[in-house]
Amino acid sequence: NAGVTQTPKFRVLKTGQSMTLLCAQDMNHEYMYWYRQDPGMGLRLIHYSVGEGTTAKGEVPDGYNVSRLKKQNFLLGLESAAPSQTSVYFCASSYSTYRRPSYEQYFGPGTRLTVT
Amino acid sequence: GQSLEQPSEVTAVEGAIVQINCTYQTSGFYGLSWYQQHDGGAPTFLSYNALDGLEETGRFSSFLSRSDSYGYLLLQELQMKDSASYFCASGGGYSTLTFGKGTMLLVSP
Repeated sequence: NAGVTQTPKFRVLKTGQSMTLLCAQDMNHEYMYWYRQDPGMGLRLIHYSVGEGTTAKGEVPDGYNVSRLKKQNFLLGLESAAPSQTSVYFCASSYSTYRRPSYEQYFGPGTRLTVT
Repeated sequence: GQSLEQPSEVTAVEGAIVQINCTYQTSGFYGLSWYQQHDGGAPTFLSYNALDGLEETGRFSSFLSRSDSYGYLLLQELQMKDSASYFCASGGGYSTLTFGKGTMLLVSP
């Protein structure tokens, strides 16, 4: 099992460009999450999904969109990148369900994004 | 909203015991998790406390006191490989997590 994988690992964008980050998990998890991590700020939740076809906003959703068309994939989009979106982006998944919540999340290796 | 406070850095020597504290102010609190992160890599889950008391997993233990809005992670028999950042995180609805800013643990020989 690969666990949680993220594509790409690194990316440099110019201001105003768009891109999509892909997260895939092979653990049949229902819940998936996107975080960003900035120096000294810890991880902050951008968006999350509790199942195929669902998405919800987290703590810092502005400037990002997400889609969960397939259970195993969770995509994070930046429509018009800004320097403030320079960060490390982590995807995570959890075997949590509505009836059996879990706070154990499995993280991918991260995508290091620089916006110039 | 939710906020968690933890020390930014802790130092210790190999073989020692270290405690990393976490205080929180949250609404809709379900429990406290702890994660470890090496050199900016993928965070990994260490423990979760839903109820007051001590949970032990090998060399690591985690404690929660809901009445004091306080928890800690205890690391025993420290090893060099324990040098990493440690994050406390409060659990919310839909199994979401709000993370503290992290504590960098430096273990010296």
